[in-house]
Amino acid sequence: DAGVIQSPRHEVTEMGQEVTLRCKPISGHDYLFWYRQTMMRGLELLIYFNNNVPIDDSGMPEDRFSAKMPNASFSTLKIQPSEPRDSAVYFCASSLRGELFFGEGSRLTVL
Amino acid sequence: AQSVTQLGSHVSVSEGALVLLRCNYSSSVPPYLFWYVQYPNQGLQLLLKYTSAATLVKGINGFEAEFKKSETSFHLTKPSAHMSDAAEYFCAVIANTGNQFYFGTGTSLTVIP
Repeated sequence: DAGVIQSPRHEVTEMGQEVTLRCKPISGHDYLFWYRQTMMRGLELLIYFNNNVPIDDSGMPEDRFSAKMPNASFSTLKIQPSEPRDSAVYFCASSLRGELFFGEGSRLTVL
Repeated sequence: AQSVTQLGSHVSVSEGALVLLRCNYSSSVPPYLFWYVQYPNQGLQLLLKYTSAATLVKGINGFEAEFKKSETSFHLTKPSAHMSDAAEYFCAVIANTGNQFYFGTGTSLTVIP
């Protein structure tokens, strides 16, 4: 299995632009998580899905952030409009039976 | 509710010395506990997990951890540190009936030659 696949690996954009991060979970996994990692705040859970349904989005910072999972093999995290404080590494992870597998992350820099 | 506390955000050891990274958990139900490692510019990788079987859990790269219910601890150890062990280590917990992972703040391990 290829593992959790995230794209892009690196994104540099200007403040106010829309950013879309993508994730392909491991086939057969029924949970998908989006995390954000920064030096200041560590690893934060943003939102997670079970069988494509959002279960808890209480970690989403504000309305500028949205996440979708249209099918079992694809999820997106969108930031519109982006701000410099959104600069971070965003991780997608999927799990099955209580074991979590992470992607390599998408490093976002907002100028 | 579940949570973990990692004591010491930075730990330095000499090459060949014992590695001890501390993790204490809080859980209202029997927990599953995990240690993850993160190398620079990479995602988190599972080192080992406790899921209510043996209390001493062996993981990859010579690491092990012991679940101690009386102390609510799940400390990570390795008898002899190697330069390649330098990384960030995260402890995590979920309820044995749950699916939401709670991560600690991480411990950065430095190995001194």
